[in-house]
Amino acid sequence: QLQLQESGPGLVKPSETLSLTCTVSGGSINSDNYYWGWIRQPPGGGLEWIGSFFYSGTTYYNPSLKSRVTISVQTSKNQFSLKLSSVTAADTAVYYCARHSGDFDCWGQGTLVTVSS
Amino acid sequence: EILMTQSPATLSVSPGERATLSCRASQSVSSNLAWYQQTPGQAPRLLIYGASSRATGIPARFSGSGSGTEFTLTISSLQSEDFAVYYCQHYDNWPYSFGQGTKLEIK
Repeated sequence: QLQLQESGPGLVKPSETLSLTCTVSGGSINSDNYYWGWIRQPPGGGLEWIGSFFYSGTTYYNPSLKSRVTISVQTSKNQFSLKLSSVTAADTAVYYCARHSGDFDCWGQGTLVTVSS
Repeated sequence: EILMTQSPATLSVSPGERATLSCRASQSVSSNLAWYQQTPGQAPRLLIYGASSRATGIPARFSGSGSGTEFTLTISSLQSEDFAVYYCQHYDNWPYSFGQGTKLEIK
């Protein structure tokens, strides 16, 4: 059974870089059938797709965040990571990692990241 | 970028009744549309993909329809566990985007 688990600091200072890791178990991220992505949800708000990658190395980013986002993969650990630079209070959100083809069919439980000094 | 618009923002329905939720895309997304259910404190759960196919384990009372720019999620007989927030999402091209959500509340 596929499971995804987000991990990383729950508090980040303004202007610093948010870093999160998603650990995948019960399946391999080296799949030619799926993408792996990040989605966020501000408190009381809706869902925003951040970006995704394919095992071949191709990445796709939301244009609204592209200048600040990097998604990378650690194949040996079956993990992938999110870095979001120059954060502000507007980046406070629950961050989810998920597997997808087009639809997101398996999600992590999410992790709350608060941007505050 | 494709804008997804859901209506209404809030829908009040009695248990046992039918609920109809709408999602509109700013341009055609063919049938590349999914619906999700989110309850408080939980991650979204995939309900419908390909506009009308139920995901694994989703009860038959959930159905999706539409193509192009107009889509509908119908819940035929509301159960207590169905009161939640519902999101649509297109995956026709990059960037993907979600609707702003419809909150389904008990009348």
